[in-house]
Amino acid sequence: DTAVSQTPKYLVTQMGNDKSIKCEQNLGHDTMYWYKQDSKKFLKIMFSYNNKELIINETVPNRFSPKSPDKAHLNLHINSLELGDSAVYFCASSHRTVATNYGYTFGSGTRLTVV
Amino acid sequence: GENVGLHLPTLSVQEGDNSIINCAYSNSASDYFIWYKQESGKGPQFIIDIRSNMDKRQGQRVTVLLNKTVKHLSLQIAATQPGDSAVYFCADNSGGSNYKLTFGKGTLLTVNP
Repeated sequence: DTAVSQTPKYLVTQMGNDKSIKCEQNLGHDTMYWYKQDSKKFLKIMFSYNNKELIINETVPNRFSPKSPDKAHLNLHINSLELGDSAVYFCASSHRTVATNYGYTFGSGTRLTVV
Repeated sequence: GENVGLHLPTLSVQEGDNSIINCAYSNSASDYFIWYKQESGKGPQFIIDIRSNMDKRQGQRVTVLLNKTVKHLSLQIAATQPGDSAVYFCADNSGGSNYKLTFGKGTLLTVNP
C-alpha cells in the first residue's frame, strides 16, 4: 500500500489554465505539506496543514491555494498557470512533531510542465 | 537521466569504497537533522536522523556526524553500492520548528561499478 500518494504523476498544461494536484496519506499522520522542487533539485516548502488547519504559508503567489478536506488529504490548486510554475511538486506527511517522528514521508511527486 | 546537466555538487566513487557527503546548515537554533536520499524519478526517502544532543549516530552502512560548532553535518556510507547512486539532501528543523524542514542543496552521488 502506498503511504503518500499523489495524482497525477505527470501534468502537461498550457499557460493560463487552472489545475489541481491531489494528495492522500494512509499513515495516520496529522500534518501534511507541499514542497516544490525546481530544475536544480532545490526543495522549498510551500504550505503545511495540521489537522486541516493551515500552519505554514511561505511566500507563494496567491494563484496557489491548498485545501485540506480532512487530515488524510491535502490538495493543491493552481490558477492561471505560468511557465515558471513548471517543477516537481511533492506532497509529504508527518506526525505533529517532526523531531520525534523521523521527519516526513514523501510522495513520489507530480511533474508539472507548463507550455 | 534526469540528473544530467544539473550542476549539483557531485561525488563519484568506486563500488566498495566509502563515501562522505557534507552539508552546512545556517540556523544555530536547529536541533534536529535528517539525511534524505532521492533516486531518479522518486520522492526523497528518509535515511537517518540525529538530534543536536548527539555528535554521531550509526545506522546500517550509514553514519551521520554533527559538528554544531561549525554547523556542519556529514553522511558517511560504507562499502558504497550502485544502488546508493542518488541525490542526497540534508535537512534541519529550521531553527527548532516542530513542523518545517529546510533542505540543503543536494549532492549527486554516482557509484561506478
